[in-house]
Amino acid sequence: AQSVTQLDSHVSVSEGTPVLLRCNYSSSYSPSLFWYVQHPNKGLQLLLKYTSAATLVKGINGFEAEFKKSETSFHLTKPSAHMSDAAEYFCVVSEKAAGNKLTFGGGTRVLVKP
Amino acid sequence: EPEVTQTPSHQVTQMGQEVILRCVPISNHLYFYWYRQILGQKVEFLVSFYNNEISEKSEIFDDQFSVERPDGSNFTLKIRSTKLEDSAMYFCASSRSRDRAYNEQFFGPGTRLTVL
Repeated sequence: AQSVTQLDSHVSVSEGTPVLLRCNYSSSYSPSLFWYVQHPNKGLQLLLKYTSAATLVKGINGFEAEFKKSETSFHLTKPSAHMSDAAEYFCVVSEKAAGNKLTFGGGTRVLVKP
Repeated sequence: EPEVTQTPSHQVTQMGQEVILRCVPISNHLYFYWYRQILGQKVEFLVSFYNNEISEKSEIFDDQFSVERPDGSNFTLKIRSTKLEDSAMYFCASSRSRDRAYNEQFFGPGTRLTVL
């Protein structure tokens, strides 16, 4: 069975400082991993995905994530936060053997202070 | 850029009534999904659909729920007799493939269902 734990429910950063959102996963097989972002009253937008190629994945809006199999982690980072990054972020896992259904983490709400 | 659309954006209904939530997936996608997010809770998988059949369904997806692709573009979720606990945001998603290269799911903006 697959599962995802996002270690922080809320993260507060100052504009221009780095952002780190932590994610650990559990999967029986070789998973695909994703980060999605949800801005207030908006849908879920794909930031990036890992599918067994490079372990460092670059996404949109300057975000990147590193897949570490030994730590079963897929943390999301951005070197410099922007006010527009204030949103909720979801770490997500899927397995082809599980029909590609997505299993979501609980989400991390990011607050960016000016 | 192609996107998934959903209608209506908000639906208010009385307990026991039937509702149909509509989605138009991205046109060249073959796999379709419904998820829901109850306020304050995780996004949960409901059902996946491929080749006019349900591929997977969760425990939540009981006999009150059904899905259909009535034509070449729409994908619908029907709740036959709504309960208070069905109040949630319902998201439709689609993907091109299950293979790793194209398995990312693209989500619609959601339908907020309120059952009174």
